[in-house]
Amino acid sequence: DTGVSQNPRHKITKRGQNVTFRCDPISEHNRLYWYRQTLGQGPEFLTYFQNEAQLEKSRLLSDRFSAERPKGSFSTLEIQRTEQGDSAMYLCASSFVWQDQISPLHFGNGTRLTVT
Amino acid sequence: GDSVTQMEGPVTLSEEAFLTINCTYTATGYPSLFWYVQYPGEGLQLLLKATKADDKGSNKGFEATYRKETTSFHLEKGSVQVSDSAVYFCALNRNAGGTSYGKLTFGQGTILTVHP
Repeated sequence: DTGVSQNPRHKITKRGQNVTFRCDPISEHNRLYWYRQTLGQGPEFLTYFQNEAQLEKSRLLSDRFSAERPKGSFSTLEIQRTEQGDSAMYLCASSFVWQDQISPLHFGNGTRLTVT
Repeated sequence: GDSVTQMEGPVTLSEEAFLTINCTYTATGYPSLFWYVQYPGEGLQLLLKATKADDKGSNKGFEATYRKETTSFHLEKGSVQVSDSAVYFCALNRNAGGTSYGKLTFGQGTILTVHP
């Protein structure tokens, strides 16, 4: 079990640029989640996948945000035309679902985005 | 909507002191309740959980009891150590029809600092 891996650890970008983050979940996990955490706050849910299907998106996820999990393994989160308000820690988590049971979420260390 | 409220921090204690971090929640149905911990420079880790009323979760000397009548899940530890210094997050996961979606609602976090 190598844990949930996120890259890059840090990203600094200028307002208006596009950025993409990658998440590699624990290999046997079929669910993958994206959360966003701003300073002094708890993580907020953005979206989640079961295998390659994106099952739910939060209203926090504006049209500038898009997430994919093309082969049901790694996932990418892209932010287009970044704004300063997008500056945050972006967290990925994974879990395993079987029938109606779900394992606890395992979180990665996050990607910290700074928009200047 | 669902919400989690944690006591304001930061909390500063001396080693071997008793710790309580209060957590109350608002949710429909019968959520599962969690405490996550984030050590400096690391990702969120599950500390303990409880899935139904009166359940007690415990791990590493920490305990929390699911109190449906007071909608609370307070975290306690009888004797804290310097290594317990971290940010602690209370969270809930709404259950529906016996299926746990894995979409967590977090509190804002409580910073704990333990001095020798």
